[in-house]
Amino acid sequence: DAGVTQSPTHLIKTRGQQVTLRCSPKSGHDTVSWYQQALGQGPQFIFQYYEEEERQRGNFPDRFSGHQFPNYSSELNVNALLLGDSALYLCASSPGGTGSVEQYFGPGTRLTVT
Amino acid sequence: GNSVTQMEGPVTLSEEAFLTINCTYTATGYPSLFWYVQYPGEGLQLLLKATKADDKGSNKGFEATYRKETTSFHLEKGSVQVSDSAVYFCALSPPTSGTYKYIFGTGTRLKVLA
Repeated sequence: DAGVTQSPTHLIKTRGQQVTLRCSPKSGHDTVSWYQQALGQGPQFIFQYYEEEERQRGNFPDRFSGHQFPNYSSELNVNALLLGDSALYLCASSPGGTGSVEQYFGPGTRLTVT
Repeated sequence: GNSVTQMEGPVTLSEEAFLTINCTYTATGYPSLFWYVQYPGEGLQLLLKATKADDKGSNKGFEATYRKETTSFHLEKGSVQVSDSAVYFCALSPPTSGTYKYIFGTGTRLKVLA
C-alpha cells in the first residue's frame, strides 16, 4: 500500500515564475492538506481540500492556490514566486473527510527560489 | 488562539540516556495531540498520538501523556539510540468544528552520540 507521494522531489525556480507541486494521497484517503515548512521551522498550514473544494485556508496570500481531482490527488500552485517561498512543501492526507484525525505526510517537495 | 510551544534544541544526549522533550499547548476545549518525527531529508512520520485527557500514546519506546491540567504533552524515552537522532514536532488538532488544520511547534532537534 503506497503512502502519500509527492512530485517532484526538488525544484529550482526563479523569482516571478510559477510552480505546480503534486500530491497523491494514501489509498483510502479523500482529504488532502498542504503545509509549508521553512528551514528550521515547523510546518505551517496552507489549505485543505475535500470533495474537490478548498475547505479551510491558512494565512497565505492568494498567490497560493490549489486543486483536488476526482481521484483525490491534489496540486499546489504558487504564482509570482518570491525568495521567501523557498521551503519544503508537505502534503498530508487523511481519511473520511474529517481533517482532525491523524494525517499522513508525504516526503515533501523542496522548492528553491533564486 | 491555538498554539504549541516546544522546548528549544538542540538536545544532545549520550546513547542509553533518558529523553524528555517538553511540549505545552494552548487551545479551547480538548484538542487531539500528536508527536511527529522528521529524519534528515524526509517528511514527517507520526510517532504517537492522544485524543483525550489522560490518554497515553506510545510507540517504539517513546511515550507521552495528555495532561489537561498542565496543558502538556511531553515526549519521553527511557533509553535513546543513535538512530533516534532527528527533529521532533509536537502538534495539535483543534477540537473546534470546522477547523481541520494541524498546528505545529517549531521542532526540537535531538542528537544522540554513541
